[in-house]
Amino acid sequence: EAGVAQSPRYKIIEKRQSVAFWCNPISGHATLYWYQQILGQGPKLLIQFQNNGVVDDSQLPKDRFSAERLKGVDSTLKIQPAKLEDSAVYLCASSLTGASGANVLTFGAGSRLTVL
Amino acid sequence: SQQGEEDPQALSIQEGENATMNCSYKTSINNLQWYRQNSGRGLVHLILIRSNEREKHSGRLRVTLDTSKKSSSLLITASRAADTASYFCALPGANNLFFGTGTRLTVIP
Repeated sequence: EAGVAQSPRYKIIEKRQSVAFWCNPISGHATLYWYQQILGQGPKLLIQFQNNGVVDDSQLPKDRFSAERLKGVDSTLKIQPAKLEDSAVYLCASSLTGASGANVLTFGAGSRLTVL
Repeated sequence: SQQGEEDPQALSIQEGENATMNCSYKTSINNLQWYRQNSGRGLVHLILIRSNEREKHSGRLRVTLDTSKKSSSLLITASRAADTASYFCALPGANNLFFGTGTRLTVIP
């Protein structure tokens, strides 16, 4: 089966600019996650979707970050305006159901953002 | 929510040696997962162990879980250069997974 697709792989922007990341999960996976991974740290959940509804966005900085999952398939994560501390890898993952049910997450390769 | 703490933070071994890394946590769980992340890549699931299991094997991987001590260990036997990566334990939250800061393993050929 095809994996989780993410684009772009790399992005360099100036602070205060905007950026968008795209994710296409594994076909049939109802749950989609966006994680932020700062260099040297573990992934931190930003937002979780179940189909096209938001399950958890408590860690999403909503003043600058937004995400949507139209039609319960692809998802887009946007940052506007970007700050220096947003430099990180943005990982998209998907699973069949919520991970609390001992399901396994499949991750994409990530989108590396550098904010100058 | 809770986050596992991996130990050690970094580990360097010779090819062929065994590598052991540990994960400790604070609240009760019903399962625990281990993931690997190669440099510049996403995370890859390695193994899931449930709270009623004490040990689980997958190829050269052995995972143990001690719920009384709230800890898990990942053993990689006969390590290879290709095992060089970061390894994370992942704990279930209400709806999702929480990852620790990882153990960075370097296997020297």
